[in-house]
Amino acid sequence: GQQVMQIPQYQHVQEGEDFTTYCNSSTTLSNIQWYKQRPGGHPVFLIQLVKSGEVKKQKRLTFQFGEAKKNSSLHITATQTTDVGTYFCAGGNAGGTSYGKLTFGQGTILTVHP
Amino acid sequence: DAGVIQSPRHEVTEMGQEVTLRCKPISGHDYLFWYRQTMMRGLELLIYFNNNVPIDDSGMPEDRFSAKMPNASFSTLKIQPSEPRDSAVYFCASSLGRTTDTQYFGPGTRLTVL
Repeated sequence: GQQVMQIPQYQHVQEGEDFTTYCNSSTTLSNIQWYKQRPGGHPVFLIQLVKSGEVKKQKRLTFQFGEAKKNSSLHITATQTTDVGTYFCAGGNAGGTSYGKLTFGQGTILTVHP
Repeated sequence: DAGVIQSPRHEVTEMGQEVTLRCKPISGHDYLFWYRQTMMRGLELLIYFNNNVPIDDSGMPEDRFSAKMPNASFSTLKIQPSEPRDSAVYFCASSLGRTTDTQYFGPGTRLTVL
């Protein structure tokens, strides 16, 4: 079945440094979503990318979807302590028996030191 | 809207006991998902429903787990008998349409099996 791998598993940064997490799928995706989970909380939707090569920005966050629709990245510029949490990517199956199913990556746990 | 509602928020039980987790999805959402989250295995999809019908239960770990959705506003996940390795946070999520639409997560139930 489809696998979505996310790296790194952990990232520790000083406040003000940049942060990037990468998501790779074993199969072509129909779309990719990104979620953020604060410590002790639940995953909250951030954004969805659908088109090949798509780039979207939310303030200090930049999301990219690869040309082949098999990888994605989330980049945070000048991290703040409020960025602390786990960032998940979730890929939608483009075909096969699991068509339409959303598969979550393992997540990247971000720690920001003030 | 109140969002996805889960109960109980915390459950502590002894090995061998039956555990029932409850979920009320957002009104009007056609899809309901049950996830399990642990440090070791991350966020795992257990089962999902479309219009109250189970579509994919391939993530259900074993026969001790069962899920039902008797109507559009209520779902249960039951573990019988429970084991210590079932300890995890169980999330319910719902989405408006296709499985690749935004998923809205509930606050989760933290289950501890002693």
